Amino acid sequence: EAGVAQSPRYKIIEKRQSVAFWCNPISGHATLYWYQQILGQGPKLLIQFQNNGVVDDSQLPKDRFSAERLKGVDSTLKIQPAKLEDSAVYLCASSLKLAGSSSNTQYFGPGTRLTVL
Amino acid sequence: GIQVEQSPPDLILQEGANSTLRCNFSDSVNNLQWFHQNPWGQLINLFYIPSGTKQNGRLSATTVATERYSLLYISSSQTTDSGVYFCAGITRQGAQKLVFGQGTRLTINP
Repeated sequence: EAGVAQSPRYKIIEKRQSVAFWCNPISGHATLYWYQQILGQGPKLLIQFQNNGVVDDSQLPKDRFSAERLKGVDSTLKIQPAKLEDSAVYLCASSLKLAGSSSNTQYFGPGTRLTVL
Repeated sequence: GIQVEQSPPDLILQEGANSTLRCNFSDSVNNLQWFHQNPWGQLINLFYIPSGTKQNGRLSATTVATERYSLLYISSSQTTDSGVYFCAGITRQGAQKLVFGQGTRLTINP
């Protein structure tokens, strides 16, 4: 079974530029998550989709971050314009069920390491 | 307040040693899970353990939900066990989401 795919793996941009990340979840997984992991910290949830609808985006900085999951499969996360503090690893995860469901397991992709100069 | 708190923040051991990692969690989260993030950044789910004890090879985990803590045990450590171990819980209120602790960085020296 193929895992969660993410691209690119690394990205270096200058502040105020735009960047987009792509995620392809495990086939059949209805729920997709984007996390931000700043160096030395645990991942922080940015947005959670159930199929193509947003379940939670309370921690997404909506003035500069946006995400979509067209057709309920692949997803893209965009930052426009980027700030220095956006330097982090952006992790995508998917699961069969919603996070609160019993015995739910999230499978994580390899992440995209973003450096903003 | 802090919902998920881990200790110790860093742990350095020799190969073959045993280790215990601790996770304290507030009453705002439940359904504890343990993850391992390897040195290349890949995050792997180890245990889903809302209560009780589970074992998988050299790893085992115990959650005492009434006292709001969980322990991860690693026996006969190997260098491949190195990385960061995270515990995470599901928030009880609002949109249920996974909240991670700050992690324990484990280094196993040969």
